[in-house]
Amino acid sequence: ETGVTQSPTHLIKTRGQQVTLRCSSQSGHNTVSWYQQALGQGPQFIFQYYREEENGRGNFPPRFSGLQFPNYSSELNVNALELDDSALYLCASSLTRGGDGYTFGSGTRLTVV
Amino acid sequence: GQQLNQSPQSMFIQEGEDVSMNCTSSSIFNTWLWYKQEPGEGPVLLIALYKAGELTSNGRLTAQFGITRKDSFLNISASIPSDVGIYFCAGNTGNQFYFGTGTSLTVIP
Repeated sequence: ETGVTQSPTHLIKTRGQQVTLRCSSQSGHNTVSWYQQALGQGPQFIFQYYREEENGRGNFPPRFSGLQFPNYSSELNVNALELDDSALYLCASSLTRGGDGYTFGSGTRLTVV
Repeated sequence: GQQLNQSPQSMFIQEGEDVSMNCTSSSIFNTWLWYKQEPGEGPVLLIALYKAGELTSNGRLTAQFGITRKDSFLNISASIPSDVGIYFCAGNTGNQFYFGTGTSLTVIP
């Protein structure tokens, strides 16, 4: 049984560019959520997807968008990157829509310059 | 977004000592969870709590879901060096997940 895998592990982008981060859920998990973790802070909830539909969203602007695919893998897209978007982006998957017991990936470290 | 308040912010303890940390919120949660995060890794689930008043153990770790559903605590007994890391509480409303500000634990051998 594989866990949650994220790619790439590190990424450097320029302000104003767009970025796509990818996540493969743990086998059998149909719910995925994304988090932004700034240095020294706790993860901040971006949004959650259940069976390809968004079913929860945190306080992030529309330039943060996502997709979940039929195999339950997921993408996080961020448009018009800002310097403050520099953070560790974590993906987590769960067996249930309630989200208890999320399994996290190791994250993608995004640096915006 | 909302963040839960965790205390203390950091702890430096001797190996073998017990540790206590807590988490409070202005909102009611359906589920409380405790995670540990080590450098370069994502958070790892330690304990999940599903109803008010619930007390659950996982080895040397014990956590409780507060009666008001607005708080939770985590205890670690007889700490060991590998307990080092940042501990986060998290509350789940059903479709929103909120994390605490974290407690950084250092264990001195």
